[in-house]
Amino acid sequence: GAGVSQTPSNKVTEKGKYVELRCDPISGHTALYWYRQSLGQGPEFLIYFQGTGAADDSGLPNDRFFAVRPEGSVSTLKIQRTERGDSAVYLCASSLGGEQFFGPGTRLTVL
Amino acid sequence: KNEVEQSPQNLTAQEGEFITINCSYSVGISALHWLQQHPGGGIVSLFMLSSGKKKHGRLIATINIQEKHSSLHITASHPRDSAVYICAVRLGADKLIFGTGTRLQVFP
Repeated sequence: GAGVSQTPSNKVTEKGKYVELRCDPISGHTALYWYRQSLGQGPEFLIYFQGTGAADDSGLPNDRFFAVRPEGSVSTLKIQRTERGDSAVYLCASSLGGEQFFGPGTRLTVL
Repeated sequence: KNEVEQSPQNLTAQEGEFITINCSYSVGISALHWLQQHPGGGIVSLFMLSSGKKKHGRLIATINIQEKHSSLHITASHPRDSAVYICAVRLGADKLIFGTGTRLQVFP
């Protein structure tokens, strides 16, 4: 069975542009998490979905960040008006409530 | 002060050495995770524990809930163990709070 997949693996964009990052969780996993990892740091929590709803979005840094999971499976993290400080690896993980399984991440570079 | 502190930040060892990485936390947790991250690679879960001790191959993880402390041990270390090891604590049912990681290099 496939693990968690994320696309694209790398995204380079210009300051001010809009980007979408996609996460395909392990089939059947009800919980889905987004994290952000800056260079040399541990990951930081962004948002957690249980099914279709965002159960905890307290980690989203500001209103430029938004995430959806409309059918309770695939999730999209959306970043508007990107800034250079948004450059990081964006990690997705899924679980059935216990161990979290991580995707390979999307490396976002904002020029 | 970070809620999750790891030590050391960097660790070098000769092949075969016994390695210990420590994690201390300051919040109430439902579980603690040890994760491994290779350079340029994804994160792999090694252990999830809420009490006692777990062993998998050459890896051993322990946790002391009263002291809010966990250790990850690697016996008979090997160069392929070189990676960043991250401690993360789970708050309630959802999010993980991560330490900054310990970069381990094992030389032959």
